[in-house]
Parts: sequence; C-alpha cells; structure tokens
Amino acid sequence: AQSVSQHNHHVILSEAASLELGCNYSYGGTVNLFWYVQYPGQHLQLLLKYFSGDPLVKGIKGFEAEFIKSKFSFNLRKPSVQWSDTAEYFCAVNAENNAGNMLTFGGGTRLMVKP
Amino acid sequence: EAGVAQSPRYKIIEKRQSVAFWCNPISGHATLYWYQQILGQGPKLLIQFQNNGVVDDSQLPKDRFSAERLKGVDSTLKIQPAKLEDSAVYLCASSLVGSFPETQYFGPGTRLLVL
Repeated sequence: AQSVSQHNHHVILSEAASLELGCNYSYGGTVNLFWYVQYPGQHLQLLLKYFSGDPLVKGIKGFEAEFIKSKFSFNLRKPSVQWSDTAEYFCAVNAENNAGNMLTFGGGTRLMVKP
Repeated sequence: EAGVAQSPRYKIIEKRQSVAFWCNPISGHATLYWYQQILGQGPKLLIQFQNNGVVDDSQLPKDRFSAERLKGVDSTLKIQPAKLEDSAVYLCASSLVGSFPETQYFGPGTRLLVL
C-alpha cells in the first residue's frame, strides 16, 4: 500500500523568505504526484501535479516541485513567500496501477507567513 | 464553470443519531469520491464511484456508513448511527474520466460535529 509523509507539520516564515516543504512517499512503482493547498475557509485546490517528463514542475502562484525518484520525494518550493501563502499544504500520491485512481494524502503542513 | 457543490456546510448531531450529506459534482465528471478529513490529518478516501457503480469502498466502515449515486450524478453519504469519532470534515471530489492524470476537484466539505 502507498503512504505519504510530510515531515513538517507547522512552518512559520517571514515574508520574502524561501519555502521548501518536504514530501516523501512509499511505493515502488510509477506514481502521479500532486500538491494541494487549502487557504483558510476555502476548499482544497490543486497547486501542481507531476505524471511524467521534466521532474521539475511549475504550478500556480510561483510554486514549483521537484520529483526525485531515487529519494521517493516530491518537495514543494517557492523562492519568496507572501502573507497570502498562509495555508495548509497537502502532498498526495496516486499509484499508476491503481485502477481506482485513489489519492493517498500526507498529513499536511500548516504554513504561516508573518507580514 | 461551477465547482463541486456540497450541503450542508455544517452539521451538529448527537451520537447515535443519523446524518446525510449531499454532493453534486462538476458537470460531466463521471468519477466521484467521498473523503473523510479528521482534524490534523490529510483526507482519507471512503468511497469512489464511476457513474453509478462503486469502484473502491475498501475503507468505508460499512457497519455505519453508506453511500449511493443512483443516477450517476449527485451522491449522498449517510452515517447511521454516528459515533464521536465520526467528527470530521467530509469532502466530495470529482474527476473527468479520460483526463491524464485524472485530477480531482474538491468541494468545500461538510463539517460534522458529533456530541
């Protein structure tokens, strides 16, 4: 069975600081990888996704993530955070041989950006 | 384009009562998912439908939870009887069959509190 670990449960940064949120998954086969964000009072929204090709994926709002297959990782990055990035971030994995397209989520990282 | 709609947004019940949640997916999305998100955790899949058929319900506690999607569009999730540990946000998501990878779009969720 696949599983996802997000090591940082809470992160506090000042505006303009760089961000990196860790995500590791356990599954030996081919995977599709996602980062979702949940802003306060809003629903889960897709930030970016990886399924093949260039392992460096760019998403909305200046976010990017790098898939490192050898490390089973898909870390999320942003060079300079803004107060509006305050939200909870979820990494999710879908195994390609999973006919049901089931997503397995990590426990989430709550980011607070201080103005 | 309208997103995934869910109702009610909030529900407070006492243990042993029953409760039902409703979801209307994005138009044209054949796949519909119900997730349970307990406070401090990532969403966990309860059941997945494709049209009106169940694809995966392996994590649905079938002694108390049931779900249906009779006409392949709207879906309801029911809990009967509710337990304290059912307090959570219940998320509905939908995806378009044939898109690759299938990206799930989430509704605002129903926040359930069982007293």
